[in-house]
Amino acid sequence: QKEVEQDPGPLSVPEGAIVSLNCTYSNSAFQYFMWYRQYSRKGPELLMYTYSSGNKEDGRFTAQVDKSSKYISLFIRDSQPSDSATYLCAMSAGGWGGADGLTFGKGTHLIIQP
Amino acid sequence: GAVVSQHPSWVICKSGTSVKIECRSLDFQATTMFWYRQFPKQSLMLMATSNEGSKATYEQGVEKDKFLINHASLTLSTLTVTSAHPEDSSFYICSARDRQFLPHEQYFGPGTRLTVT
Repeated sequence: QKEVEQDPGPLSVPEGAIVSLNCTYSNSAFQYFMWYRQYSRKGPELLMYTYSSGNKEDGRFTAQVDKSSKYISLFIRDSQPSDSATYLCAMSAGGWGGADGLTFGKGTHLIIQP
Repeated sequence: GAVVSQHPSWVICKSGTSVKIECRSLDFQATTMFWYRQFPKQSLMLMATSNEGSKATYEQGVEKDKFLINHASLTLSTLTVTSAHPEDSSFYICSARDRQFLPHEQYFGPGTRLTVT
């Protein structure tokens, strides 16, 4: 079993729809949960991060973490064609000053149809 | 936000030759730099972690003699792929952070696409 599981898609939805992206993980030591957006042949760009369990909202994006279920989600409201990209979840067990690399999911390829 | 650059952005080399990729933090001191590799339609896989002035720590299965990492200054780390083979063709991405940063504050470079012919 891989440490982080993420459905690679592609996930295709019409413009304006609510998008739900998810990851599951097995390592209970993970405390920091991130979502990155990656366009083709580019480096990942941090969208949101959450520490431990709970919700976090930033504009059209909402991140949720349920540590009891080892399940994290990213919701995108009012999706736009410009949101089309690959979305990667990433996790870390490291605390302040830690030097841990991130463990990434495979990424979900999202397509927003105009 | 913090900016990380990589050079070159893409490189083609012949099998058996070596190629060096540079990763620079432009506006902060990177006490730690990470090197990742990404194959098509695959996730980013951590290859190694380097702390300034120390030897790099390699992930299981990554050959340290093949992927040489140098982190000689607080703004520069290099990855040298020695005796490259076609199976080394991949997208190599670095990230950098300062020890003062939280784990999510890991800034990624734009990546280097390596093609070995």
